[in-house]
Amino acid sequence: DVKVTQSSRYLVKRTGEKVFLECVQDMDHENMFWYRQDPGLGLRLIYFSYDVKMKEKGDIPEGYSVSREKKERFSLILESASTNQTSMYLCASSDTSNQETQYFGPGTRLLVL
Amino acid sequence: GQNIDQPTEMTATEGAIVQINCTYQTSGFNGLFWYQQHAGEAPTFLSYNVLDGLEEKGRFSSFLSRSKGYSYLLLKELQMKDSASYLCAVREADGYALNFGKGTSLLVTP
Repeated sequence: DVKVTQSSRYLVKRTGEKVFLECVQDMDHENMFWYRQDPGLGLRLIYFSYDVKMKEKGDIPEGYSVSREKKERFSLILESASTNQTSMYLCASSDTSNQETQYFGPGTRLLVL
Repeated sequence: GQNIDQPTEMTATEGAIVQINCTYQTSGFNGLFWYQQHAGEAPTFLSYNVLDGLEEKGRFSSFLSRSKGYSYLLLKELQMKDSASYLCAVREADGYALNFGKGTSLLVTP
């Protein structure tokens, strides 16, 4: 079974803090993704990576950055957290050889005060 | 870009059949996915269609018509545990990422 894990299920941070969300997958997938999910807006892509050290902007990259130093790990960074970044953050990974079906981690619910 | 539409909410009775529709507009198409998401949990993969027709997997089936930009997810013999949000997602040609609809919240009642 594919396993995607995220470092925290719940996180509370203050405005202006630098926040790191970590995602690890154990299936040697090439592609990894970060989404945020908000009521009424659905899942929106922030960034994705198709290889180590490679990254591509998604639909809403502003206020975020990412890092992929190792194949299994994809980090999402909020440089200076703001209240409008309060959301559910979901990481996913996919394998080019398997229809590129995306498998999701359990999510991190972030509250920025 | 893409525009993906699906109903916001649906209600159905335990044991019945329900069809959740999804329409999309895209400049290129390379597959349509359905995911199930229970409240507070991550989405889980249900089905994948890239060619026209019906894909059946147990109680769940998914249909695709590329010429009409249309898909549906069919759930048979509904169970209470099927109460969840169902997400339609489309991948563009030459793309890695998926574009998701806003999801359909299905409530199964006794």
